Amino acid sequence: DAGVTQSPTHLIKTRGQHVTLRCSPISGHKSVSWYQQVLGQGPQFIFQYYEKEERGRGNFPDRFSARQFPNYSSELNVNALLLGDSALYLCASSPWGLAGLGDTGELFFGEGSRLTVL
Amino acid sequence: DAKTTQPNSMESNEEEPVHLPCNHSTISGTDYIHWYRQLPSQGPEYVIHGLTSNVNNRMASLAIAEDRKSSTLILHRATLRDAAVYYCILRHTGTYKYIFGTGTRLKVLA
Repeated sequence: DAGVTQSPTHLIKTRGQHVTLRCSPISGHKSVSWYQQVLGQGPQFIFQYYEKEERGRGNFPDRFSARQFPNYSSELNVNALLLGDSALYLCASSPWGLAGLGDTGELFFGEGSRLTVL
Repeated sequence: DAKTTQPNSMESNEEEPVHLPCNHSTISGTDYIHWYRQLPSQGPEYVIHGLTSNVNNRMASLAIAEDRKSSTLILHRATLRDAAVYYCILRHTGTYKYIFGTGTRLKVLA
């Protein structure tokens, strides 16, 4: 079974440009979350989507946006790129969306998209 | 958001047990304790989670203190493939917002 797939795996942009990162969740998973991991640090939560609705947002500026499509795949968009946006962007999927009692809350991560901003 | 504190790094010999500690003194009653690990050049991987009772699975055991202010991830026999950064995370019931710290980098010596 295919795991979470992300594209592109690596990309280089210059300051001020825009980037779109894509994520395909595991088949049957309806929830997608996005994380940013700067070198040497743990991942930081950006967004969570479930059934095409935003369910959570981290402390990131409005330059960061995301959406989820009817097939549950997702895009993360970052506008007006800054040098500090250079990071590994991780997508994670889960079969559950409401994370209520009874579900494990387990996330399945992809291998990430490494963005370098010059 | 509740925070966790872990040692920056630990070493273990191959085939020996490893105890990875985590302090979470501000944990609330509805916070789950999750452990993930991240191997080099990969995304994080689920290891185990618990709420109040100790938990075992095929990968590891999780020992939770009675007051829930600390927990320990136990790898029963470390292998070279267990070398990774291990993250202890608190997840509030009803959210998928995981707050990762900097984790513990585990080095396994052959």
